[in-house]
Amino acid sequence: EDKVVQSPLSLVVHEGDTVTLNCSYEVTNFRSLLWYKQEKKAPTFLFMLTSSGIEKKSGRLSSILDKKELSSILNITATQTGDSAIYLCAYLKTSYDKVIFGPGTSLSVIP
Amino acid sequence: EPEVTQTPSHQVTQMGQEVILRCVPISNHLYFYWYRQILGQKVEFLVSFYNNEISEKSEIFDDQFSVERPDGSNFTLKIRSTKLEDSAMYFCASSEGVGQGGEKLLFGSGTQLSVL
Repeated sequence: EDKVVQSPLSLVVHEGDTVTLNCSYEVTNFRSLLWYKQEKKAPTFLFMLTSSGIEKKSGRLSSILDKKELSSILNITATQTGDSAIYLCAYLKTSYDKVIFGPGTSLSVIP
Repeated sequence: EPEVTQTPSHQVTQMGQEVILRCVPISNHLYFYWYRQILGQKVEFLVSFYNNEISEKSEIFDDQFSVERPDGSNFTLKIRSTKLEDSAMYFCASSEGVGQGGEKLLFGSGTQLSVL
């Protein structure tokens, strides 16, 4: 059965810390891995990773996919209180017919 | 930037009543999805829709649920006879589909459904 696992499930850090969030998956017909940030309401898109080993960056956030290890990490450097959110990892299958989300990592950044 | 629009933002209904949740996906998108999130739980896939038909549905999406794209712009989710356990945030999402990063799903802001 296809699944996606995230760790840790929750994390509390101080402003300025660097965090690494983990996602692992077991998926048949895997196409892409996606990262989303969820604050109060809808998930907002962060990254889509299709190729292994190519880092994607956006400001203080970066992510990379390892298709050999069936995993991905999301790094956030110099964390700010505004980074407090649930970070969701999800996979897309080659059929495009669904994106399945993991349970999320709840990140709290305290001043 | 184009957005997925959902209405209403909140819906309160009595158990056993029918509800229709409405979504306007981004205009050039081809794939449409409904998800739900019960408070404190994960985002759960309900159904995907492509080329005017359901392409995939989850076990949650039973005979009480239906989807429709009646006029080429709106995308609706109908729950025929609501149950207490249908109380959740319902998200609509859409994507362009193939190539150039178009696979990413963009989400609407959700409809909070409360069944009393």
